[in-house]
Amino acid sequence: QLQLQESGPGLVKPSETLSLTCTVSGRSISSRSFYWGWIRQPPGKGLEWIGSIHYSGKSYYNPSLKSRGTISIDTSKNQFSLKLTSLTAADTAVYYCARDRPPYDHGDPGWLDPWGQGTLVAVSS
Amino acid sequence: EIVLTQSPGTLSLSPGERATLSCRASQSISSNYLAWYQQKPGQAPRLLIYGAFSRATGIPDRFSGSGSGTDFTLTISRLEPEDFAVYYCQQYGSSPRTFGRGTKVEIK
Repeated sequence: QLQLQESGPGLVKPSETLSLTCTVSGRSISSRSFYWGWIRQPPGKGLEWIGSIHYSGKSYYNPSLKSRGTISIDTSKNQFSLKLTSLTAADTAVYYCARDRPPYDHGDPGWLDPWGQGTLVAVSS
Repeated sequence: EIVLTQSPGTLSLSPGERATLSCRASQSISSNYLAWYQQKPGQAPRLLIYGAFSRATGIPDRFSGSGSGTDFTLTISRLEPEDFAVYYCQQYGSSPRTFGRGTKVEIK
């Protein structure tokens, strides 16, 4: 059964860089059929897609991040990671990782299933 | 980017009743690339519907999706106690992918 688990610091200072890792178990991350994505949800608010990456290295990002985000993939560890720079209080959120399924072969990222349980990151001094 | 507007914001219903949730897009969504998710408090979202009307694996058939273009609907035919939650729509027809702000289905 495919499972995803986020890990990283629960508290980060403003202006610093957040690093999160998603460990995938139950399936190889090197599948050409899927992307792997990050999504966040500020407390009490809705969902925002951050970006997604394919094992080949092809990646997509939400322009709202203004190039502060970078997603990387480590097939040897079956993990993918998110780095988010220049943090502010507005980046406080639960961060989720998820498998990202294109609607057709070689397509762009599509729907997200399954999701990890999420990890809360607070940005505060 | 495509803005998704979900309505109503809150839906108050009793178990056994029918729930109809709307998701309206600011522009037409190509190939009906729309998904629906359910989120319960303290949990991650769960995929219910993709491609506007295809149920995800393990999703009961009381959940159904419909619509095309800019207007989409999630229908829960008979609400079970475990269905009271927040529901989000998400489009993947154009970049960046976007979510609606959610509809909360609460017990009346």
